[in-house]
Amino acid sequence: DFVMTQSPDSLAVSLGERATINCKSSQSVLNTSNNKNYLAWYQQKPGQPPKLLIYWASTRSSGVPDRFSGSGSGTEFTLTITRLQAADVAIYYCQQYNGPQRTFGQGTRVEIK
Amino acid sequence: QVHLVQSGAEVKKPGSSVKVPCKIFGGSSTDSFIFTWVRQAPGQGLEWMGTIDYMAGTAVYAQQIQGRVSITADESTRTVFLHLRSVTPQDTAVYYCARDGESALDSWGQGTMVTVSP
Repeated sequence: DFVMTQSPDSLAVSLGERATINCKSSQSVLNTSNNKNYLAWYQQKPGQPPKLLIYWASTRSSGVPDRFSGSGSGTEFTLTITRLQAADVAIYYCQQYNGPQRTFGQGTRVEIK
Repeated sequence: QVHLVQSGAEVKKPGSSVKVPCKIFGGSSTDSFIFTWVRQAPGQGLEWMGTIDYMAGTAVYAQQIQGRVSITADESTRTVFLHLRSVTPQDTAVYYCARDGESALDSWGQGTMVTVSP
C-alpha cells in the first residue's frame, strides 16, 4: 500500500514570500506506460471541500494561478507557492492515484507569519 | 463540466447504516465517469474510502473499511451512493464525493456531515 508523507506539518510564511511543501511516496507514482506521475495537490479552506490545484505532478488545474507550481517525479514531489497571498492560507494535501487505490498525505497547514 | 450535489446532514445511531447520495449534473459522453468518496473526520485529514467506475459498475474500496462499505451507481437518476454499515462514533465525518480520472479529483460535492451518536 502507498503511504504519502508530507513535510512540514505546518509552516508560516511572510506575505509575498515563497512556501514549499514536500510530499514523499512509499512507492513510485510514475506510470511507465505513459511516463506520467499520478500525483495531485489540493488546497482546502475551512468549511469547504478540497480544490484541485495540480495533477500529473506539475499540470495546473483550470483557473489556478501560476503562483502555484508542482514538481518532482517517482517518489518525491514539491508544491511551491510563490508570492504568498492571504488567500493562500489553507491546508494542502498531496494524493497519489497511480492504480486503483488512492492515498492522501496527512496535510500541511500554511499560515501567514 | 460536472457538478456534484450532495444531501444534507444525517444523524445515525451506532450499529445502523447510512446511505449518502451524490447527484451528478452536466458532463458529456467523453468525460470520465469514475467517482470517488473521501471522508474527513472533525479536525482531521482526508481519507480515501473507495472509487466506482460509473459505467462498468465496478468499485474498489479502502482496506480498512472493506466489508462495511459499498459504492453503487444508479444511471436512471445519475446518482452515486455511498453505503456504510455498522457505523460507530468513529465514522462521524464529512463525506465528499468527487469526480475522478486522469486529472485526479477535479470536481467535488459540497460534502455531507454524518454524525453517529447514541
